[in-house]
Amino acid sequence: DAGVTQSPTHLIKTRGQQVTLRCSPKSGHDTVSWYQQALGQGPQFIFQYYEEEERQRGNFPDRFSGHQFPNYSSELNVNALLLGDSALYLCASSSEGIARRNEQFFGPGTRLTVL
Amino acid sequence: DAKTTQPPSMDCAEGRAANLPCNHSTISGNEYVYWYRQIHSQGPQYIIHGLKNNETNEMASLIITEDRKSSTLILPHATLRDTAVYYCIVSLLLTGANNLFFGTGTRLTVIP
Repeated sequence: DAGVTQSPTHLIKTRGQQVTLRCSPKSGHDTVSWYQQALGQGPQFIFQYYEEEERQRGNFPDRFSGHQFPNYSSELNVNALLLGDSALYLCASSSEGIARRNEQFFGPGTRLTVL
Repeated sequence: DAKTTQPPSMDCAEGRAANLPCNHSTISGNEYVYWYRQIHSQGPQYIIHGLKNNETNEMASLIITEDRKSSTLILPHATLRDTAVYYCIVSLLLTGANNLFFGTGTRLTVIP
């Protein structure tokens, strides 16, 4: 079991550009959540995808959008990048219908630097 | 907004028990206490969660006070690999659209 995987590991962009980050959930999981973690802070919830639709959203602008594919993998897109978007972006997966420990499994993250 | 209060940092000697406190005085009756930890440059890792009874697993023990307004995570024999930021989170069960809302956590340093 590969767990949650994310790509790329690191990314450098300039202000105004657009970026796409990718996530593959843990095997058997159907729900993907995205978090942003600024340096020295805890992760902040961006949004969650289930059944290919955005189910819940945190306090992030519309520049942040996402997508979930039929195989449950997901993308996070950020448009018009700002310096403040520099952060570690974490993907977490969970299972909707199975009684487990109710935990979210996190990937290693993508470190985005905006110059 | 985070519903929990944790000390920003703690030290613990290797081999001793690490006791990490958390205050959650506004917890509601159907909210659980979750603990996650984040080792440097990695994603957060689930440790344990509980509602009102004390819980124990292979990683740690969770002690929740009778009034549920505070809890303590216990790592019985801390090792250097336990050095991490520990997050105490109050949340409904992670089903449906529920998600985790992290605070700034406690940075635990295990000292040789």
